[in-house]
Amino acid sequence: RKEVEQDPGPFNVPEGATVAFNCTYSNSASQSFFWYRQDCRKEPKLLMSVYSSGNEDGRFTAQLNRASQYISLLIRDSKLSDSATYLCVAGSGTYKYIFGTGTRLKVLA
Amino acid sequence: NAGVTQTPKFQVLKTGQSMTLQCAQDMNHNSMYWYRQDPGMGLRLIYYSASEGTTDKGEVPNGYNVSRLNKREFSLRLESAAPSQTSVYFCAILYRGGYEKLFFGSGTQLSVL
Repeated sequence: RKEVEQDPGPFNVPEGATVAFNCTYSNSASQSFFWYRQDCRKEPKLLMSVYSSGNEDGRFTAQLNRASQYISLLIRDSKLSDSATYLCVAGSGTYKYIFGTGTRLKVLA
Repeated sequence: NAGVTQTPKFQVLKTGQSMTLQCAQDMNHNSMYWYRQDPGMGLRLIYYSASEGTTDKGEVPNGYNVSRLNKREFSLRLESAAPSQTSVYFCAILYRGGYEKLFFGSGTQLSVL
């Protein structure tokens, strides 16, 4: 079993739709959580950190459920420019950042 | 990506050849990382360096060596390349300035024939 698991998708959604991604992690010692965005053939870039109380950044909302060991990302009012792969990351300690394999999102006009 | 510079961007090697991937940062951070990314596997940590002169193995270190001779540079060496090392390689630094994030270079696409 992978330490961080994501549904690979692809998720094909129309513009304006709301889409949610989930990610599960198996290491209960994980302390920090992130969502990264990766465009085709580009490097991953931080989208947002995930805090215990949940957090929102514009159209993006991230939630953490420690009891069930999953994190989620909600994208509201999807834009064409949101099309990308979204990587879930769980960190434990200074160096151990484990990436999920990513969920592909395609927003359709 | 002025913060983290990787060279080369593309490389083709023959099996058994050696090469060094270079990574340099201008952000003065201590922690640097080398990841590889393969389809369906996500990013996997090869080696990590907490500070100048120190390195630690990650999840997939076999077939690689690293060098962190100064704070700015962290190189990854393939001594005898194998087709299984065909991948995209990313160098990253750990940014800690009020919040924490990995900041990646633009990657090196390596093909081993």
